[in-house]
Amino acid sequence: GDSVTQMEGPVTLSEEAFLTINCTYTATGYPSLFWYVQYPGEGLQLLLKATKADDKGSNKGFEATYRKETTSFHLEKGSVQVSDSAVYFCALLDLYTGNQFYFGTGTSLTVIP
Amino acid sequence: GAVVSQHPSWVICKSGTSVKIECRSLDFQATTMFWYRQFPKQSLMLMATSNEGSKATYEQGVEKDKFLINHASLTLSTLTVTSAHPEDSSFYICSVQDRVVGQPQHFGDGTRLSIL
Repeated sequence: GDSVTQMEGPVTLSEEAFLTINCTYTATGYPSLFWYVQYPGEGLQLLLKATKADDKGSNKGFEATYRKETTSFHLEKGSVQVSDSAVYFCALLDLYTGNQFYFGTGTSLTVIP
Repeated sequence: GAVVSQHPSWVICKSGTSVKIECRSLDFQATTMFWYRQFPKQSLMLMATSNEGSKATYEQGVEKDKFLINHASLTLSTLTVTSAHPEDSSFYICSVQDRVVGQPQHFGDGTRLSIL
C-alpha cells in the first residue's frame, strides 16, 4: 500500500544553517506530494506541493523536487530562521487509492539563534 | 484567507462529558471532510471520512459509537466525542477535500481536547 517515510527528528540547527528533511514514498499510482508545516499548538498549513515528476514546489524559501526515479520529495532550505521552528510533515495523495492522505511521522525542527 | 474553520480551538471538561467539535468549509461546498487525531509528537491518524448526506466511513480501530460524525450540510461536519475520558484527550483536526481533483485537503486549526 501507499506510505510515506520521513526522516526522524528532532532536528536542531543554528540560524542560517542549511536544512534538509528527507522524505521517500511508496505509491500505487502517480501521487501528488506535499509538505505541511505545523507550528506549536496550531493546525497544519500547506507549505508546498508538487503534482508530477520533476515538479519543484517552493514557498517561503523552502523547496522540494518530486523525484520519481528515487521516489523522494526532500525538503530543503538554504538558510533557516528561528521562526521556521515547527513540525514538518511530508504527505502523499494518490488518487488511484482514493482521496486519502498518507502522512509521514513528522520531523520536529528547532532553530536556535 | 482561511478555507476551513474549526471550533472550538480548546476544550477542557470533566470525564463523562460529551464534546462536539465543528468543522466548517468557508469557501465552497464540501461533500467530503476528514477527521484526524494527533497524539503529542506524532503524526496525524485518519479517524473517519465524512460524506455529506450519508454515514461516515470509519478507519479500522475507531469506535463509531464513541466518535459520532454528522455531515448534515455541505459546509458543516461535526465530531462528537461521547462520554469522553482522559484517554480521549488529544488534538483533533478536520480537513476539507478541495473541489479540484488532485488538490490538497484544507485543514482546520485543530481542537485541543483535554479531559480531566
